[in-house]
Formats: sequence, structure tokens, C-alpha cells
Amino acid sequence: SQQGEEDPQALSIQEGENATMNCSYKTSINNLQWYRQNSGRGLVHLILIRSNEREKHSGRLRVTLDTSKKSSSLLITASRAADTASYFCATDANSGAGSYQLTFGKGTKLSVIP
Amino acid sequence: DAGVIQSPRHEVTEMGQEVTLRCKPISGHNSLFWYRQTMMRGLELLIYFNNNVPIDDSGMPEDRFSAKMPNASFSTLKIQPSEPRDSAVYFCASSSRLEGTQYFGPGTRLLVL
Repeated sequence: SQQGEEDPQALSIQEGENATMNCSYKTSINNLQWYRQNSGRGLVHLILIRSNEREKHSGRLRVTLDTSKKSSSLLITASRAADTASYFCATDANSGAGSYQLTFGKGTKLSVIP
Repeated sequence: DAGVIQSPRHEVTEMGQEVTLRCKPISGHNSLFWYRQTMMRGLELLIYFNNNVPIDDSGMPEDRFSAKMPNASFSTLKIQPSEPRDSAVYFCASSSRLEGTQYFGPGTRLLVL
């Protein structure tokens, strides 16, 4: 089953507005990552936040993590048409014995209207 | 760096045929991951390698799927025989360490008729 689940599934905003996407997960994690996928392309890493961090910034991106609620949010400020893409959260599942797995949610499809 | 390279970018084949997908990771990366993406199931991890050794193949759907990494710069994912339900986009990703940022290739869009 999916570890991370994004909400909403789709989001449409006007250029210049802020976009907020949420991710919930089920089990304890070491870190949580956000990726972007433009149509027909591979995923691109945006930001990683560790379980002992609460907030992280990168340019127009702001990520928060609440481990007590098992949730994270991605905020894109002053959105641009080029931000139109699907956004995925990914959580790790360190299952021990040297095994490691990054589990992706199904994504939020963001449309930024010029 | 050219990034992760995958070939072919598109593949159309008939049911029962063998399909081989190829991946060249970023030079110096020692972890390589194969994913499959469909609308219904999203992005699923199929198998990953660390230092050319398969670590976890629990995501490989059936025995029809196999993956190899004969050296640090090349990996293949093979489907034999292929079925229409294998139609998906297959991504390869690499990272410099197992828990690190993963860099994705452009994907191979597979259609099995």
C-alpha cells in the first residue's frame, strides 16, 4: 500500500497565488522528500526534510513536517505557469537488514493558470 | 553530467514478445532503482541495486520480470513474455548513496498490444 498520500489530487490556481499540497503517511520515517514531475518527464527532486526537522526552505518552496500527525506540506509561493506539474511526496521505509525503500504517493496535479 | 540515460524512450511490442529496457546511471552513483508508473497504481519500486548487487526485488510483479546490473554503469530490466498489463512508464533512478536524493531518467514508455 502507498505510504504517502497527497492531498488534494488536483489543484488549479492563478499565477502569483500560493499553492499548498499536503502529504500524509502511516509509519515512522527517517526523512521525507518532495519531487516534481512535468508531463512526460522523469521526477525531479525538490527538497528533503529529515524527521528531526520541522521546516525547510528552498527558494519559493517551503516544506513543513509534523511527525506527531504524520503529515507534511509543500508550499509554493508566488506560483508561475512553469510550476505546472505533478508533485509527489516520498517517504523512506528503512526495513532493516540493509534494505531501503522510498515509497511515493500518487501525487498532486498542480495547474497554474497564466 | 548527462544525467540518468534510459533507452529506448518508447517501445511498442506485441504480447508474448521479450522487452529489454536499459539504464545508464549517473557516473559515481552506486545505487540504482527501477520503478514502474501507471495511472492506477502510481509509482512503484520494482527492484534496486547497491554497488551492483540486487538488494530488494520484492516489488518485481512476477517471474516474467528480471533485472541485472553487470557493472556500475549499466542495468537492464527484462520482461519475458510481455503482457498488455505491463504497459506503463518504466523509470530508472540512481543516487550516490542508498538514502540519498534519487535522480530519475526520462523513462521508457512501454505499450504491449
